[in-house]
Amino acid sequence: DAKTTQPPSMDCAEGRAANLPCNHSTISGNEYVYWYRQIHSQGPQYIIHGLKNNETNEMASLIITEDRKSSTLILPHATLRDTAVYYCIVSRSKYSGGGADGLTFGKGTHLIIQP
Amino acid sequence: GAVVSQHPSWVICKSGTSVKIECRSLDFQATTMFWYRQFPKQSLMLMATSNEGSKATYEQGVEKDKFLINHASLTLSTLTVTSAHPEDSSFYICSARDLQGNYEQYFGPGTRLTVT
Repeated sequence: DAKTTQPPSMDCAEGRAANLPCNHSTISGNEYVYWYRQIHSQGPQYIIHGLKNNETNEMASLIITEDRKSSTLILPHATLRDTAVYYCIVSRSKYSGGGADGLTFGKGTHLIIQP
Repeated sequence: GAVVSQHPSWVICKSGTSVKIECRSLDFQATTMFWYRQFPKQSLMLMATSNEGSKATYEQGVEKDKFLINHASLTLSTLTVTSAHPEDSSFYICSARDLQGNYEQYFGPGTRLTVT
């Protein structure tokens, strides 16, 4: 799996949009970008994933650059409960034969939402 | 969303004993489950891939005779830490892929193992 680079920590004011960047310059054509987050002492929670188009769900939006070498996760209205470590991971999906792939976690970004 | 449970949520055992951790997918089937380990202030590290009806695949450096994995059904995988030692104390987390979805992984809440 391609390696990702994320800032180690970020602060964001409550109610504001939190924008978390991720670089994945060595991503290959059959790899998707996945975002997970881990609240302290809990299992990771799936947030969103995408290939090359921007994606949005009830939790967040994912913006992927045209060259696919970087992406940004957007939490539109951050709350205190969004304080967590956010992991950007690239991996194959089932559409590219990735059914048996475990995930390679980097160090992630520790997002702290300030009241 | 898909739910994965783990049992127990925490366990304390004496050095030399064995501990079994269960991972269940509650509302979906998973032919593949994964086991991760997380030490304090570190990221998750993949230990092994558990396949229903076949042998598990272990990552480099993970002892298969120490960490026994059984995936007897489409909703249950177990991890047994045999002859546990204090250095095995960690947070063990399982995940499962939803066959009906896009293979995004859903994680259990984790099991905190402390070996005394």
